[in-house]
Formats: sequence, structure tokens, C-alpha cells
Amino acid sequence: AQRVTQPEKLLSVFKGAPVELKCNYSYSGSPELFWYVQYSRQRLQLLLRHISRESIKGFTADLNKGETSFHLKKPFAQEEDSAMYYCALKASTGFQKLVFGTGTRLLVSP
Amino acid sequence: GAVVSQHPSWVICKSGTSVKIECRSLDFQATTMFWYRQFPKQSLMLMATSNEGSKATYEQGVEKDKFLINHASLTLSTLTVTSAHPEDSSFYICSATNEGRSTDTQYFGPGTRLTVL
Repeated sequence: AQRVTQPEKLLSVFKGAPVELKCNYSYSGSPELFWYVQYSRQRLQLLLRHISRESIKGFTADLNKGETSFHLKKPFAQEEDSAMYYCALKASTGFQKLVFGTGTRLLVSP
Repeated sequence: GAVVSQHPSWVICKSGTSVKIECRSLDFQATTMFWYRQFPKQSLMLMATSNEGSKATYEQGVEKDKFLINHASLTLSTLTVTSAHPEDSSFYICSATNEGRSTDTQYFGPGTRLTVL
């Protein structure tokens, strides 16, 4: 069965500090992984996906199959990065089902 | 583009009544829509996957007779909570995929907060 684990419920950092939000997954096949973000009073939206290998708003995430991880990183956090971050894994079934982690709240203080 | 709306944004109902929640893709055709449930400070739990013109596929443990899903058109899916009880109070979120754009990204609605008294 697919499973996504985000061990930290809350991550609090100061502005300008590096950030790493951890995500580990359990999946027997070839995974597709995503990070979704939910800003205060806004809907959930896609931040980035591992197959794109892109950097969005300064965030990057590398899929490490050996460690079954997909940690989200940013070298210098900004206050506007404060939000709820969800790691998600796309299941192998035909309906593109996503399995979400429990989420990590990032709080960036000035 | 790729906006998904939900209506209503919040609803309060009495125990035993039924509540219908609508999910619409405003500027694209969504062949697949998903319904999630989110408890306070918890993650999104997929309830069911609905494809236009066919029966919804429910996740294990989700009562299909309790949560009726209809996806009658490429822009509208509805979730009806039948004979609602206080334990059905939750935040219900839908999402839709825009396969026409050759992407499998899910676009999420703003959610509907249901409170059953």
C-alpha cells in the first residue's frame, strides 16, 4: 500500500534561514511525488512535482529512491512561505489517485 | 485558468437531513473529479473518484449509500451526504483533473465546511 509520512507537524524558522520539510514514502512501484501548499484561507495548490525537476518560489525537492524520500528545501525562507505543506504520492491506479501526508505547517518569523 | 469552485462554502444542517455539495470546473472539462474529507488538523482523505458518466469508485471504508456521488457532466460533480449525523461534520474538498491540457495535476476547490447539529 502507498503511504506518505511527514514527521513534522510544525516547523518554525526565522526569515532567511534554510528550510527542509521532510517527506518519506512507501510504495512498491515507480513513484510520482508532489508537494502541495495551502496558504492561509486559500485552497490547496500544486507547488512542484518531482518529474518536472523545477524550482518554484525558490523551493526544490529531489526524489531519493534509495532513502524513499522527497524532502522540500529552500535555502532562505521568507515570511510569505508560511503555509501548510503536503507531500503527496500518485498511486499506480488509472485514476491518478493521490495519497497525502499529514502535512507540515511552516511558520517563518521575521 | 483551471479553476474549481464548490458550493456552498459552508452549510449547517439538522441531523437526519441530506446535504448536497457541488463541485464545478469553471474553465476546463474535468473527466475525473475527486472528493476528499479533511478533519481538523489532519490530512486529506480520499473518499471517492468520479468519472463523468460512470459510477464513482469509493475508497475502502467509505459508505457509498451514505455519500452519493454524481458526475453527470464534464464540469459538474455532486456529493450528497444522506441522513447526515454529527460525525459527518467535516471539511469536504473536491479536485479535478484537466486531461485536455495533457497534465495530471489536480486542481482543488476551496472546500465546503459541513456542520451537522
